[in-house]
Amino acid sequence: AQTVTQSQPEMSVQEAETVTLSCTYDTSENNYYLFWYKQPPSRQMILVIRQEAYKQQNATENRFSVNFQKAAKSFSLKISDSQLGDTAMYFCAFRAYNNNDMRFGAGTRLTVKP
Amino acid sequence: EAGVAQSPRYKIIEKRQSVAFWCNPISGHATLYWYQQILGQGPKLLIQFQNNGVVDDSQLPKDRFSAERLKGVDSTLKIQPAKLEDSAVYLCASRTGGLAGPEQFFGPGTRLTVL
Repeated sequence: AQTVTQSQPEMSVQEAETVTLSCTYDTSENNYYLFWYKQPPSRQMILVIRQEAYKQQNATENRFSVNFQKAAKSFSLKISDSQLGDTAMYFCAFRAYNNNDMRFGAGTRLTVKP
Repeated sequence: EAGVAQSPRYKIIEKRQSVAFWCNPISGHATLYWYQQILGQGPKLLIQFQNNGVVDDSQLPKDRFSAERLKGVDSTLKIQPAKLEDSAVYLCASRTGGLAGPEQFFGPGTRLTVL
């Protein structure tokens, strides 16, 4: 069974600085997707970034980028130039190609301080 | 494009009562999911539909939870009778089910409090 671990329950960062959120996962699958979702306080969950396991190049979306280390089963999220609106819970998630079951980590609560 | 709609947004009931949640997925999305998110935890899948058929309900407590998607569009999740530990946010999500993209789109959730 796949498991997703986020070892940082809470983190904080000063506005305009960079922060990295950690995620590790365990799977025997070779083909899968990895995601980072953002859940702002009292608002719905939205996709931040996704990575296909077969791609060696790390995904990037504006200020958000990932460091995908397939051998180490690590998938960290880097937020550059942090903004107050980045304050949210961030969830790492895994889904195998042949399985519709999305597994989520416990989340990291990120606070961006002015 | 309208997002995933859910209602009600909040519900407070007493234990042993019944409750139902409604979800309208994004138009054209064949796959629909119900998740339970307990405070401080990540979402946990309860049930997945492909059109109007159940794909995975292995984590659904079937003695008290039920769900249906009769016409392959809207879905209803019911709890009868509710327990204190059912207090959580119930999230509905949908996906195209095709090659357009693997990500799920989430609704705003229904926050259930069982007293």
